[in-house]
Amino acid sequence: AQKVTQAQTEISVVEKEDVTLDCVYETRDTTYYLFWYKQPPSGELVFLIRRNSFDEQNEISGRYSWNFQKSTSSFNFTITASQVVDSAVYFCALPRSNDYKLSFGAGTTVTVRA
Amino acid sequence: NAGVTQTPKFRILKIGQSMTLQCAQDMNHNYMYWYRQDPGMGLKLIYYSVGAGITDKGEVPNGYNVSRSTTEDFPLRLELAAPSQTSVYFCASRMAGGSSGYGYTFGSGTRLTVV
Repeated sequence: AQKVTQAQTEISVVEKEDVTLDCVYETRDTTYYLFWYKQPPSGELVFLIRRNSFDEQNEISGRYSWNFQKSTSSFNFTITASQVVDSAVYFCALPRSNDYKLSFGAGTTVTVRA
Repeated sequence: NAGVTQTPKFRILKIGQSMTLQCAQDMNHNYMYWYRQDPGMGLKLIYYSVGAGITDKGEVPNGYNVSRSTTEDFPLRLELAAPSQTSVYFCASRMAGGSSGYGYTFGSGTRLTVV
């Protein structure tokens, strides 16, 4: 069975602070991908990043970076120097390899205060 | 390309009424999905389809029905609406095949309130 757990319900920070979002997953697939989505107050789902299980090298893209550790089944996401526009709900998601059904975590609400 | 189009964007239903949420995609995607998002929660899969004429239940199918007569359209039918179906509904699609890392296209959502 697929399962995604985001233990943090809400995070509140002051602008320019870093924010790290935790994601722990369970899957029976031997190879898989993980996604992060952003849902701003307007409600749409915005794709942010995907990562495959082949490569545990951490990456940085602009103010976003992620830390993927297969040994602990974690896929954490960091926003560096947060801005008010980063205020949103962030979802971690895991697709199943046979039918591509996406399993979502419950989401973490990030509030960045000016 | 329009991507995934959902209509309506907002709807208020009375208890016991029925309605159909429309979802259409113009990308020739085989896979289509319906999710619901309750306040403060993640998205839960209602139904999905791997191609025209093929549908299957997700995690929370009770109270809903779907059909997939064409590749483009995947309507979600609510019969006898209940307050528990108050939610935001998202439709999504993706192409067939490829790795599980291939991207999904989401519609902008339908906000449904049952009173």
